[in-house]
Amino acid sequence: DAGVIQSPRHEVTEMGQEVTLRCKPISGHDYLFWYRQTMMRGLELLIYFNNNVPIDDSGMPEDRFSAKMPNASFSTLKIQPSEPRDSAVYFCASSPTLAGRYTDTQYFGPGTRLTVL
Amino acid sequence: AQTVTQSQPEMSVQEAETVTLSCTYDTSENNYYLFWYKQPPSRQMILVIRQEAYKQQNATENRFSVNFQKAAKSFSLKISDSQLGDTAMYFCAFLFSGGYNKLIFGAGTRLAVHP
Repeated sequence: DAGVIQSPRHEVTEMGQEVTLRCKPISGHDYLFWYRQTMMRGLELLIYFNNNVPIDDSGMPEDRFSAKMPNASFSTLKIQPSEPRDSAVYFCASSPTLAGRYTDTQYFGPGTRLTVL
Repeated sequence: AQTVTQSQPEMSVQEAETVTLSCTYDTSENNYYLFWYKQPPSRQMILVIRQEAYKQQNATENRFSVNFQKAAKSFSLKISDSQLGDTAMYFCAFLFSGGYNKLIFGAGTRLAVHP
């Protein structure tokens, strides 16, 4: 298996521009998670999906952030408009379902380093 | 609420030596998982080892082993025969297996392995 795939690996943009990050989870995994990592706040869970449905988006910092999962093999995290404080590494992770209900080990993608100038 | 504490911001070890990274957690739950993830300079988050709370036997993966003390809520990682490639940030993480589905991370320990 190729593991979790994220694109792009690096993104540099200017304040006010729209940014779209992409993720392909491991085939067969029912859960997909988006995390943000900064020096100040460490790793933060932004949102997660189960069977393509958003379950908990309480970590999404504000309305400028949105995430979608149109099918089992693709998810996007969009920031519009972007701000310098959004600069961070964004990780996508996926997990299989355990016992038909609960998630298990999360496997992370390589991350996208976002820089907003 | 669950919390995870890694009290060692930085550690260093000589190549081929053994090092232990500490992790404590706080929870009122009885069924959960604990993990150690490694983040090398490439920033990829790599699963090192996984422990199920209901298992008394400590998990091992080659040179990596844990000392899981459930009553003390302690979950330390031992790296034997340290290699230069072990240089990385190490994160301890907690997952409640009852459906909460959120992985709670510690702040991390930066490990440097010196030749």
